[in-house]
Amino acid sequence: GNSVTQMEGPVTLSEEAFLTINCTYTATGYPSLFWYVQYPGEGLQLLLKATKADDKGSNKGFEATYRKETTSFHLEKGSVQVSDSAVYFCALSLPYNNNDMRFGAGTRLTVKP
Amino acid sequence: DAGITQSPRHKVTETGTPVTLRCHQTENHRYMYWYRQDPGHGLRLIHYSYGVKDTDKGEVSDGYSVSRSKTEDFLLTLESATSSQTSVYFCAISEGRGAGGELFFGEGSRLTVL
Repeated sequence: GNSVTQMEGPVTLSEEAFLTINCTYTATGYPSLFWYVQYPGEGLQLLLKATKADDKGSNKGFEATYRKETTSFHLEKGSVQVSDSAVYFCALSLPYNNNDMRFGAGTRLTVKP
Repeated sequence: DAGITQSPRHKVTETGTPVTLRCHQTENHRYMYWYRQDPGHGLRLIHYSYGVKDTDKGEVSDGYSVSRSKTEDFLLTLESATSSQTSVYFCAISEGRGAGGELFFGEGSRLTVL
């Protein structure tokens, strides 16, 4: 079946540290891949996305590259800030069926000053 | 921000009682979804709607029903709540199908079943 596996948290970093959150997927067909972020007390919001192999999604200093050969979509940021503290979800949807978006379990990031 | 309102935002109820959660959107999006969020599971799809009176089951639909009588409203009903349905419920909307579709989420409804 279609699924997403992301690294377990929690992840605690100091401000300005480098961030990587791993995400791998299993899918039939060619999925679109997403990173969503959930700030405390809020719903999820789209952080970035990529719709085909080798595409790089980027937003707010975060990046992720769609790697078909390794079925991965790892999230990276070069220098995290306290305001990046949140829960991050990797997700996938299949073409013409994004009614069935599959989410990973989420990774909680805490950034300390 | 997408205009999505969930109500109630918090509810405590007892096992066996019926519960209805409401999702209201002002974006006129065709697709609406109900997810539940549980630790270690991320978000799992309960039901979704692709138009007025058109709904379908998701991954974890047992014990839940939905209705959509108007474009803007999508109701989730627990006919007889159980403790396993204690969760945070999120409504989401999207414009349509196809690759690259983005979901817009409400702020969530926290349900506790005692």
